[in-house]
Amino acid sequence: QQQVKQSPQSLIVQKGGISIINCAYENTAFDYFPWYQQFPGKGPALLIAIRPDVSEKKEGRFTISFNKSAKQFSLHIMDSQPGDSATYFCAASIRGAGGTSYGKLTFGQGTILTVHP
Amino acid sequence: SAVISQKPSRDICQRGTSLTIQCQVDSQVTMMFWYRQQPGQSLTLIATANQGSEATYESGFVIDKFPISRPNLTFSTLTVSNMSPEDSSIYLCSAGTSGSTDTQYFGPGTRLTVL
Repeated sequence: QQQVKQSPQSLIVQKGGISIINCAYENTAFDYFPWYQQFPGKGPALLIAIRPDVSEKKEGRFTISFNKSAKQFSLHIMDSQPGDSATYFCAASIRGAGGTSYGKLTFGQGTILTVHP
Repeated sequence: SAVISQKPSRDICQRGTSLTIQCQVDSQVTMMFWYRQQPGQSLTLIATANQGSEATYESGFVIDKFPISRPNLTFSTLTVSNMSPEDSSIYLCSAGTSGSTDTQYFGPGTRLTVL
C-alpha cells in the first residue's frame, strides 16, 4: 500500500502558537520522510526531512517527530508566524539500496495552514 | 541545492493540441521526475525521467499521452498530447541526486489550461 494519509485538511493557528500536522503511512519499505511547504503559485519547497533511524529532527522552529512502530510522523511548527501560512505536504519515499522505486515521492493530501496575526 | 526552471510557466491550449514543457536544472542530477497537481490538490507522480532510456510511468499514465525525454543529466521535457480539459492542471518537474545528502527539489510548475 503506497498511501500516505495526512491530517488535518486545514488548520488555523494564532501567531505564536504551535501548528501540528500528522501523517500516517502503510508501506514499511518507506525510509525517507520529507515535508514540503508550498505557497500559492509556487512549487513545493523542502522544509525538513527525516529517516526512520531517528525519532526526532529539529531545524529552527520546525520539528519532525517520527514513530516507526506506529508508522506515523508529524510536523510541529513552534512560534507559528503569519509568514508560515501555506500548504504543507508530507511525503514518503524509498531510498534504500536503489531500484526502480528509488526517490519516487508519495504525497499526503496536504494541509492548508493559516496563521492569524 | 539545485535550482530548477520550467518553461512555459503557464499556457492556455485548445483541445486536441499538444504542449511540451521543459525542465532545466542548474546542476547535474541523478533523479528527475514529473508530477501533476490539480488545483488545490496533492501531487501525483506521472513518471520517472531516465537519462538515456525510456521513462518509467506510474499506473494510470502512458507514454502515448505523456511522452518524456531526458537527453542529459540537467534537462527533461514532458509533452501533454492530444489535450482535453481534464488535462488542465499544474505540471511540476523535480530533481535530486542520490546519496547521503539526497534531496529532491521542485520547479515552479507549469499551469496548463485546456479549453
